[in-house]
Amino acid sequence: DVQLVQSGAEVRQPGESLKISCKGSAYRFTTYWIGWVRQMPGKGLEWMGIIYPSDSDTRYSPSFQGQVTISADKSISTAYLQWSSLKASDTAMYYCARHATGTTGGLDSWGEGTLVTVSS
Amino acid sequence: SYELTQPPSVSVSPGQTARITCSGDALPKQYAYWYQQKPGQAPLLVISKDSKRPSGIPERFSGSSSGTTVTLTITGVQSEDEADYYCQSADSSGTYPVVFGGGTKLTVL
Repeated sequence: DVQLVQSGAEVRQPGESLKISCKGSAYRFTTYWIGWVRQMPGKGLEWMGIIYPSDSDTRYSPSFQGQVTISADKSISTAYLQWSSLKASDTAMYYCARHATGTTGGLDSWGEGTLVTVSS
Repeated sequence: SYELTQPPSVSVSPGQTARITCSGDALPKQYAYWYQQKPGQAPLLVISKDSKRPSGIPERFSGSSSGTTVTLTITGVQSEDEADYYCQSADSSGTYPVVFGGGTKLTVL
């Protein structure tokens, strides 16, 4: 079965950097877009951006452009989401998910989520 | 920015039919997808391309489209269907390849 396994929960202070990961298995990682989705406590789903691991083509939501960096290492079937300077408002659950087809297709497989807590 | 509009909540009794709507200007041109999210869990795709049910999703889940509105229908609602439901689509220009609706809390009375 297709699996996306995310890195564990993180606690950081404001201003610190962070990189979380999402490792795909049981499918050809390079041929499906991977997206990142934020869910703040008690709130809905927000699309952050997507990456095509084959050539690292990346698209960002205007709301997150410049706030985060999405990358991928196809040699180890892993996508990343990183921050250079965290804010308290970055506290949220972050999910990676695979697009079934293209960039606008449904997200047919999801990671379990990585909880990021930013607090002084 | 492009928005998809869902009702915040829907309530039904067990065995009844629940209908959750999602409205957006680009829905006549873009497919819609529906996700179920239970507390503490990742979202689960329950309807793809407006009306297709992924493998393993019960037949009581169905989707339909009419103009600028898509609808998720759950026929014969069960207590286990209580969850948040999100629609997802794209805008027509490609600026926003993924847009989520605000979510609908389905309560089974």
